[in-house]
Amino acid sequence: DQQVKQNSPSLSVQEGRISILNCDYTNSMFDYFLWYKKYPAEGPTFLISISSIKDKNEDGRFTVFLNKSAKHLSLHIVPSQPGDSAVYFCAASGNGGSNYKLTFGKGTLLTVNP
Amino acid sequence: EPEVTQTPSHQVTQMGQEVILRCVPISNHLYFYWYRQILGQKVEFLVSFYNNEISEKSEIFDDQFSVERPDGSNFTLKIRSTKLEDSAMYFCASSRNPIKIPSYNEQFFGPGTRLTVL
Repeated sequence: DQQVKQNSPSLSVQEGRISILNCDYTNSMFDYFLWYKKYPAEGPTFLISISSIKDKNEDGRFTVFLNKSAKHLSLHIVPSQPGDSAVYFCAASGNGGSNYKLTFGKGTLLTVNP
Repeated sequence: EPEVTQTPSHQVTQMGQEVILRCVPISNHLYFYWYRQILGQKVEFLVSFYNNEISEKSEIFDDQFSVERPDGSNFTLKIRSTKLEDSAMYFCASSRNPIKIPSYNEQFFGPGTRLTVL
């Protein structure tokens, strides 16, 4: 039951260029979306989030875009740096009640080459 | 910057033994979570905890699992009788209070405890 899908297991980008990581979801009840970065043997690190009432959120080099009608979100990293190399997870949570659990995608391994 | 801490970093146990994984959430956070990641698989939700009781649990979180906040700072996950398939990385997370503001569901994760069941 893949409610959150990251269809690209890996992405390779040159330093200084844009990295675009994609995520699709199937559950229309999701209303809050987050991106996490993870290095091996560490916990996920929160990067940026977006509420379903917005279509864009920007924080420094990171921008998340949300297309609700397509149930699609993307993370843009500009410019990409070698230190950005990690696994990136998309996560989503539902609305109201006590449903704050995060549902994660399988992750995309980003490699930024110098 | 405040962070979530977890101990131990690695726990090896024999099948059938009890283990307790410990977490110290960020001090002003009110919601606490346990997730796990089996090698090569997705991060999966186990349980959430708020106001000294379980808020939500997944089908993975059966009677062998329990959580507790024994004092004002620690949050523990106990597995009563470990099975081989419990081998995984266990992550604790905390967030402020998503009931009030959705952005308060930004969950901050600890470094994890690698549990190996032999």
